[in-house]
Amino acid sequence: NAGVTQTPKFRVLKTGQSMTLLCAQDMNHEYMYWYRQDPGMGLRLIHYSVGEGTTAKGEVPDGYNVSRLKKQNFLLGLESAAPSQTSVYFCASSYPGQGSYSNQPQHFGDGTRLSIL
Amino acid sequence: EDQVTQSPEALRLQEGESSSLNCSYTVSGLRGLFWYRQDPGKGPEFLFTLYSAGEEKEKERLKATLTKKESFLHITAPKPEDSATYLCAVEGASGSRLTFGEGTQLTVNP
Repeated sequence: NAGVTQTPKFRVLKTGQSMTLLCAQDMNHEYMYWYRQDPGMGLRLIHYSVGEGTTAKGEVPDGYNVSRLKKQNFLLGLESAAPSQTSVYFCASSYPGQGSYSNQPQHFGDGTRLSIL
Repeated sequence: EDQVTQSPEALRLQEGESSSLNCSYTVSGLRGLFWYRQDPGKGPEFLFTLYSAGEEKEKERLKATLTKKESFLHITAPKPEDSATYLCAVEGASGSRLTFGEGTQLTVNP
Protein backbone atom coordinates (compact mmCIF):
# COMPACT_ATOMS: atom_id res chain seq x y z
CA ASN A 1 0.00 0.00 0.00
CA ALA A 2 1.87 3.08 -1.28
CA GLY A 3 -0.50 5.71 0.17
CA VAL A 4 0.20 9.09 -1.44
CA THR A 5 2.95 9.21 -4.07
CA GLN A 6 4.36 12.45 -5.46
CA THR A 7 6.35 12.76 -8.67
CA PRO A 8 9.00 14.09 -9.10
CA LYS A 9 10.79 14.33 -5.74
CA PHE A 10 13.15 17.11 -6.83
CA ARG A 11 13.15 19.55 -9.71
CA VAL A 12 15.04 22.67 -10.74
CA LEU A 13 13.40 25.05 -13.19
CA LYS A 14 14.31 28.29 -14.84
CA THR A 15 12.05 31.32 -14.52
CA GLY A 16 9.28 31.16 -17.09
CA GLN A 17 9.37 27.39 -17.59
CA SER A 18 6.31 25.28 -16.99
CA MET A 19 5.88 21.96 -15.26
CA THR A 20 3.33 19.62 -13.74
CA LEU A 21 3.55 17.91 -10.37
CA LEU A 22 1.74 14.61 -10.09
CA CYS A 23 0.03 13.21 -7.02
CA ALA A 24 -1.41 9.70 -6.92
CA GLN A 25 -3.25 8.03 -4.04
CA ASP A 26 -4.35 4.42 -3.75
CA MET A 27 -6.70 4.78 -0.75
CA ASN A 28 -9.83 5.64 -2.73
CA HIS A 29 -10.03 9.02 -0.98
CA GLU A 30 -12.57 11.55 -2.21
CA TYR A 31 -10.67 14.65 -1.16
CA MET A 32 -7.22 15.71 -2.38
CA TYR A 33 -5.12 18.77 -1.57
CA TRP A 34 -2.02 20.63 -2.69
CA TYR A 35 0.02 22.59 -0.13
CA ARG A 36 3.25 24.51 -0.19
CA GLN A 37 5.56 24.67 2.82
CA ASP A 38 7.97 27.55 3.29
CA PRO A 39 10.19 28.41 6.27
CA GLY A 40 8.30 30.57 8.75
CA MET A 41 5.04 30.24 6.82
CA GLY A 42 3.86 26.74 7.66
CA LEU A 43 1.73 24.68 5.31
CA ARG A 44 -0.51 26.77 3.06
CA LEU A 45 -3.29 25.35 0.93
CA ILE A 46 -2.97 26.05 -2.81
CA HIS A 47 -5.93 24.18 -4.32
CA TYR A 48 -8.07 21.27 -3.32
CA SER A 49 -10.63 18.87 -4.77
CA VAL A 50 -13.65 17.26 -3.14
CA GLY A 51 -14.18 14.77 -5.93
CA GLU A 52 -13.31 13.72 -9.45
CA GLY A 53 -13.79 16.58 -11.89
CA THR A 54 -14.00 19.26 -9.17
CA THR A 55 -11.41 21.75 -7.93
CA ALA A 56 -11.43 24.78 -5.63
CA LYS A 57 -9.04 27.56 -4.66
CA GLY A 58 -7.24 27.52 -1.36
CA GLU A 59 -5.30 30.23 0.45
CA VAL A 60 -2.55 30.84 -2.16
CA PRO A 61 -3.87 29.79 -5.62
CA ASP A 62 -2.28 32.46 -7.83
CA GLY A 63 0.19 31.13 -10.39
CA TYR A 64 -1.04 27.55 -10.10
CA ASN A 65 -3.63 25.42 -11.85
CA VAL A 66 -4.94 21.97 -10.97
CA SER A 67 -6.88 19.15 -12.52
CA ARG A 68 -8.60 16.06 -11.10
CA LEU A 69 -9.54 14.00 -14.14
CA LYS A 70 -9.30 10.71 -12.24
CA LYS A 71 -10.23 10.10 -8.62
CA GLN A 72 -6.79 8.80 -7.73
CA ASN A 73 -4.77 11.59 -9.37
CA PHE A 74 -4.42 15.31 -8.65
CA LEU A 75 -2.14 17.39 -10.85
CA LEU A 76 -0.59 20.75 -9.95
CA GLY A 77 0.62 22.92 -12.82
CA LEU A 78 2.91 25.92 -12.94
CA GLU A 79 2.39 27.66 -16.27
CA SER A 80 5.22 30.21 -15.95
CA ALA A 81 7.43 29.50 -12.96
CA ALA A 82 8.66 32.36 -10.78
CA PRO A 83 11.38 32.38 -8.08
CA SER A 84 8.66 33.05 -5.48
CA GLN A 85 7.31 29.56 -6.22
CA THR A 86 10.48 27.92 -4.91
CA SER A 87 9.12 25.72 -2.16
CA VAL A 88 8.37 22.22 -0.98
CA TYR A 89 5.03 21.04 -2.33
CA PHE A 90 2.95 18.46 -0.50
CA CYS A 91 -0.05 16.55 -1.70
CA ALA A 92 -2.56 15.04 0.71
CA SER A 93 -5.78 13.06 0.55
CA SER A 94 -8.60 12.17 2.92
CA TYR A 95 -12.10 10.79 3.27
CA PRO A 96 -14.83 13.38 3.92
CA GLY A 97 -16.37 13.70 7.35
CA GLN A 98 -19.90 12.68 8.22
CA GLY A 99 -22.44 15.28 9.29
CA SER A 100 -20.91 17.86 11.61
CA TYR A 101 -17.73 15.84 12.18
CA SER A 102 -14.47 16.90 10.63
CA ASN A 103 -13.01 15.22 7.60
CA GLN A 104 -10.91 12.17 8.23
CA PRO A 105 -7.18 12.86 8.81
CA GLN A 106 -5.24 13.84 5.75
CA HIS A 107 -2.54 11.49 4.50
CA PHE A 108 0.48 13.26 3.04
CA GLY A 109 3.07 12.38 0.44
CA ASP A 110 6.76 13.06 1.05
CA GLY A 111 6.85 16.21 -1.04
CA THR A 112 8.37 17.66 -4.18
CA ARG A 113 11.27 20.03 -3.64
CA LEU A 114 11.10 22.66 -6.36
CA SER A 115 13.72 25.31 -7.00
CA ILE A 116 13.18 28.06 -9.55
CA LEU A 117 16.23 30.01 -10.67
CA GLU B 1 -10.53 33.65 8.94
CA ASP B 2 -9.23 30.67 10.89
CA GLN B 3 -5.89 31.19 12.62
CA VAL B 4 -3.47 28.87 14.41
CA THR B 5 -0.45 29.93 16.47
CA GLN B 6 2.01 27.43 17.89
CA SER B 7 4.54 28.02 20.64
CA PRO B 8 7.36 27.76 21.23
CA GLU B 9 8.89 27.79 17.74
CA ALA B 10 11.66 25.48 18.96
CA LEU B 11 12.15 23.42 22.09
CA ARG B 12 15.19 21.49 23.27
CA LEU B 13 14.76 18.85 25.95
CA GLN B 14 16.96 16.32 27.64
CA GLU B 15 15.86 12.72 27.37
CA GLY B 16 13.27 12.11 30.08
CA GLU B 17 12.47 15.81 30.57
CA SER B 18 8.71 16.21 30.14
CA SER B 19 7.19 19.35 28.59
CA SER B 20 4.23 20.69 26.62
CA LEU B 21 3.68 22.30 23.22
CA ASN B 22 0.94 24.87 22.77
CA CYS B 23 -1.48 25.46 19.91
CA SER B 24 -3.75 28.52 20.18
CA TYR B 25 -6.53 28.85 17.65
CA THR B 26 -9.41 30.99 16.47
CA VAL B 27 -11.93 29.29 14.24
CA SER B 28 -15.54 29.72 13.23
CA GLY B 29 -17.18 26.50 14.35
CA LEU B 30 -14.49 23.99 15.21
CA ARG B 31 -15.09 20.67 13.48
CA GLY B 32 -11.75 19.18 14.48
CA LEU B 33 -8.23 19.98 15.71
CA PHE B 34 -5.44 17.83 14.33
CA TRP B 35 -1.89 17.14 15.49
CA TYR B 36 0.74 15.92 13.05
CA ARG B 37 4.39 14.97 13.34
CA GLN B 38 6.83 15.85 10.56
CA ASP B 39 10.31 14.41 10.22
CA PRO B 40 12.94 16.14 8.06
CA GLY B 41 12.43 15.44 4.37
CA LYS B 42 9.07 13.76 4.97
CA GLY B 43 5.41 14.67 4.83
CA PRO B 44 3.35 15.23 7.98
CA GLU B 45 2.19 12.09 9.76
CA PHE B 46 -1.15 12.10 11.58
CA LEU B 47 -1.15 11.77 15.37
CA PHE B 48 -4.52 12.85 16.85
CA THR B 49 -7.88 14.43 16.14
CA LEU B 50 -9.72 16.28 18.92
CA TYR B 51 -13.32 17.35 18.45
CA SER B 52 -14.53 19.17 21.56
CA ALA B 53 -13.27 20.99 24.65
CA GLY B 54 -12.25 18.61 27.41
CA GLU B 55 -11.31 15.81 25.09
CA GLU B 56 -7.97 14.05 25.59
CA LYS B 57 -6.13 11.45 23.51
CA GLU B 58 -2.93 9.52 24.20
CA LYS B 59 -0.40 7.64 22.16
CA GLU B 60 2.73 6.27 23.80
CA ARG B 61 4.51 9.28 25.36
CA LEU B 62 2.18 11.84 23.77
CA LYS B 63 -1.06 13.21 25.17
CA ALA B 64 -3.17 15.85 23.43
CA THR B 65 -5.75 17.98 25.21
CA LEU B 66 -8.24 20.57 23.98
CA THR B 67 -9.92 23.67 25.42
CA LYS B 68 -12.10 26.22 23.63
CA LYS B 69 -9.09 28.35 22.76
CA GLU B 70 -6.05 26.09 22.71
CA SER B 71 -4.64 22.61 22.57
CA PHE B 72 -1.63 21.17 24.30
CA LEU B 73 0.60 18.31 23.25
CA HIS B 74 2.18 16.90 26.39
CA ILE B 75 5.33 14.84 25.98
CA THR B 76 6.16 12.61 28.93
CA ALA B 77 9.71 11.31 29.39
CA PRO B 78 10.67 12.00 25.76
CA LYS B 79 13.25 9.98 23.86
CA PRO B 80 15.56 11.16 21.05
CA GLU B 81 13.28 9.48 18.51
CA ASP B 82 10.55 11.96 19.49
CA SER B 83 12.61 14.70 17.85
CA ALA B 84 10.53 16.17 15.00
CA THR B 85 8.42 19.16 14.09
CA TYR B 86 4.92 18.98 15.53
CA LEU B 87 2.15 20.67 13.57
CA CYS B 88 -1.29 21.71 14.73
CA ALA B 89 -4.20 22.33 12.35
CA VAL B 90 -7.88 23.21 12.64
CA GLU B 91 -10.87 22.52 10.45
CA GLY B 92 -13.59 25.14 10.73
CA ALA B 93 -17.23 25.25 9.82
CA SER B 94 -16.49 25.66 6.13
CA GLY B 95 -15.14 22.13 6.11
CA SER B 96 -12.99 20.52 3.41
CA ARG B 97 -9.79 22.33 4.41
CA LEU B 98 -7.31 22.72 7.24
CA THR B 99 -5.46 25.77 8.57
CA PHE B 100 -2.02 24.87 9.89
CA GLY B 101 0.23 26.51 12.44
CA GLU B 102 3.92 27.00 11.74
CA GLY B 103 4.92 24.13 13.98
CA THR B 104 7.17 23.51 16.97
CA GLN B 105 10.56 21.97 16.27
CA LEU B 106 11.34 19.57 19.11
CA THR B 107 14.84 18.27 19.75
CA VAL B 108 15.42 15.64 22.44
CA ASN B 109 19.04 15.16 23.40
CA PRO B 110 20.27 11.82 24.80
